[in-house]
Amino acid sequence: DQQVKQNSPSLSVQEGRISILNCDYTNSMFDYFLWYKKYPAEGPTFLISISSIKDKNEDGRFTVFLNKSAKHLSLHIVPSQPGDSAVYFCAPKDGGTSYGKLTFGQGTILTVHP
Amino acid sequence: DAEITQSPRHKITETGRQVTLACHQTWNHNNMFWYRQDLGHGLRLIHYSYGVHDTNKGEVSDGYSVSRSNTEDLPLTLESAASSQTSVYFCASSESGVNEQFFGPGTRLTVL
Repeated sequence: DQQVKQNSPSLSVQEGRISILNCDYTNSMFDYFLWYKKYPAEGPTFLISISSIKDKNEDGRFTVFLNKSAKHLSLHIVPSQPGDSAVYFCAPKDGGTSYGKLTFGQGTILTVHP
Repeated sequence: DAEITQSPRHKITETGRQVTLACHQTWNHNNMFWYRQDLGHGLRLIHYSYGVHDTNKGEVSDGYSVSRSNTEDLPLTLESAASSQTSVYFCASSESGVNEQFFGPGTRLTVL
């Protein structure tokens, strides 16, 4: 029973265009959502997050949108750059646990072509 | 600079052997986590700890154990390695009450 689903295993985008990565979840107790970025042979690194009391959070080229009623969030990267090519994981936190235990999606491989 | 390290980075072992993967962090974080990454599954939680002498099972804990004798280290032990445990293993840590976790570089384990 996967509580977090990233239904697109891969995404290919041209440099300068927008990349949109999607994440769906089923657990209504999730109250905080993080996005991680992972390069090959490295550990994941934190990218951006959003609290369930907000519907948008922006940090430079990265914006995360949250639609609680649809249990859906998305990460927008504008403009996309070749250095953004990586695996992206969404990782919600269960509000019923107070110690930051995260549930990771399967990941989406983003490739940005020059 | 504070950091989180894992050793070894690569390990090849045989079925049935005991294997221990090391994780060391210098942030003085109370929370530490072990994940495995497999194609199609993302990162799955194996074990986690909220402090010294505290350990908890994650969603895929069978065949694994951890112990927390100090704040800095959370070694992961495979009691009797199986081919199904071939994977990339990541250790992470976080401050109490903070959601963001910091990850180590990973250990690639192959069980033959």
